[in-house]
Amino acid sequence: GAVVSQHPSRVICKSGTSVKIECRSLDFQATTMFWYRQFPKQSLMLMATSNEGSKATYEQGVEKDKFLINHASLTLSTLTVTSAHPEDSSFYICSARDPGQFYNEQFFGPGTRLTVL
Amino acid sequence: DAKTTQPPSMDCAEGRAANLPCNHSTISGNEYVYWYRQIHSQGPQYIIHGLKNNETNEMASLIITEDRKSSTLILPHATLRDTAVYYCIPQGSNYQLIWGAGTKLIIKP
Repeated sequence: GAVVSQHPSRVICKSGTSVKIECRSLDFQATTMFWYRQFPKQSLMLMATSNEGSKATYEQGVEKDKFLINHASLTLSTLTVTSAHPEDSSFYICSARDPGQFYNEQFFGPGTRLTVL
Repeated sequence: DAKTTQPPSMDCAEGRAANLPCNHSTISGNEYVYWYRQIHSQGPQYIIHGLKNNETNEMASLIITEDRKSSTLILPHATLRDTAVYYCIPQGSNYQLIWGAGTKLIIKP
């Protein structure tokens, strides 16, 4: 299947700083990428849908000014957690769909574990 | 979006078939049933999907009832590496996945 990478795999930062997470589709061009957040022992929660060349669509309750998403190319989407606080500590996962595939399965990155001190 | 019901946890002996059920009684006619799994601290992995016919691939088989209100994922010869949380997700054309609690499958030696 298609490969999606994320960088970094884990990051520890101080409260008030900003953190950028990169999501790359390695062997296909992804017109749509998705960002999820997962708290311990919970399921994935969709944060936003990122479309190349246009503004991201955020789910209800997700602050767009706090979670900045940029999808400037067909292989890269970035999520920036601005002014991070301890409650933002979570497992952040991106996924992408390959428009060249007939079906809609999504390919997931390995996730980024964010810890805010 | 259709809601799903899955047992919270299941055990299976290594080498035996693992059968994971899912109820999706409100699924709409154009929604496929997708199955993903998530091994601890990793990103989810696509397993299989189907609309109304049974499907099989190198990872698993998917049995969908004729009324499409439920399905069963079958891992034919479970290994310890199949220990994970398994999610059944109806998905339509908007590509969005709504994740339920899934089934935590534990494969025991």
